Amino acid sequence: KAGVTQTPRYLIKTRGQQVTLSCSPISGHRSVSWYQQTPGQGLQFLFEYFSETQRNKGNFPGRFSGRQFSNSRSEMNVSTLELGDSALYLCASSLAGENQPQHFGDGTRLSIL
Amino acid sequence: LAKTTQPISMDSYEGQEVNITCSHNNIATNDYITWYQQFPSQGPRFIIQGYKTKVTNEVASLFIPADRKSSTLSLPRVSLSDTAVYYCLVGARAYSGAGSYQLTFGKGTKLSVIP
Repeated sequence: KAGVTQTPRYLIKTRGQQVTLSCSPISGHRSVSWYQQTPGQGLQFLFEYFSETQRNKGNFPGRFSGRQFSNSRSEMNVSTLELGDSALYLCASSLAGENQPQHFGDGTRLSIL
Repeated sequence: LAKTTQPISMDSYEGQEVNITCSHNNIATNDYITWYQQFPSQGPRFIIQGYKTKVTNEVASLFIPADRKSSTLSLPRVSLSDTAVYYCLVGARAYSGAGSYQLTFGKGTKLSVIP
C-alpha cells in the first residue's frame, strides 16, 4: 500500500511569492493534516481537513491556507512568503474513526531566499 | 491538550534494550498514547499506540501503568539504524461531528545508538 506522497520534495522561493504544496493521502484515508517543522519551533499543527472541510486550525496567520478535494488529496498554500516560512512541511493522513494514528509523508522542504 | 515530558536525549550501545519514558500527568480519560520515530529530513513514522497496560508489535513495546500518568516505549536490541528522535503524544480523537483534535508534538527524545 502506497504511503502519503508529498510533492514537490524541495522548493526554493523568494520573499513575497506564494507557493502551493500537494499531498496525496494513503488510499482510504479521509483525514489530512498539515504540520510545519522548524529547528526552533519543532513540529507545529497547521490545519486538518476531513471530507473537504477544515475541521481544526492551528495558530498560524491567514497567509497559510489549505483545501481538500473529493478524492481526499489536499493542497496547502502559503501567500506572501516570509523568510521565517522556511521549513519542512509535513502532511499526515489517517482513517476515520476514533484514535486512528496519523501517517506522515516525508514532507516538502521549503526554502525562502 | 495533555502536556508530555520526555528526556531530551539518550545514548545506548548497539544490542541493548532502550526504554524511553514519557510523563503525561494530566492525561484525560479518552486520551490514547502514541509514539512516533523521526529520522532527519523525513516525516514522523508511527511506532505504537496504546491506552492501558501493555501493547507489543513487531518493533516495540509500550508499557502503561494503571494510573496512565506515564508510559514507557521499549525498543529491544537497538541497532545503529534506530538512531532517531522519538516523540510521545497524548490525545483523543473522536469523530462525533464536533471536530477533531490536533497533534501536539513536544521536543522528543534524541536517541543515539553507539557501535
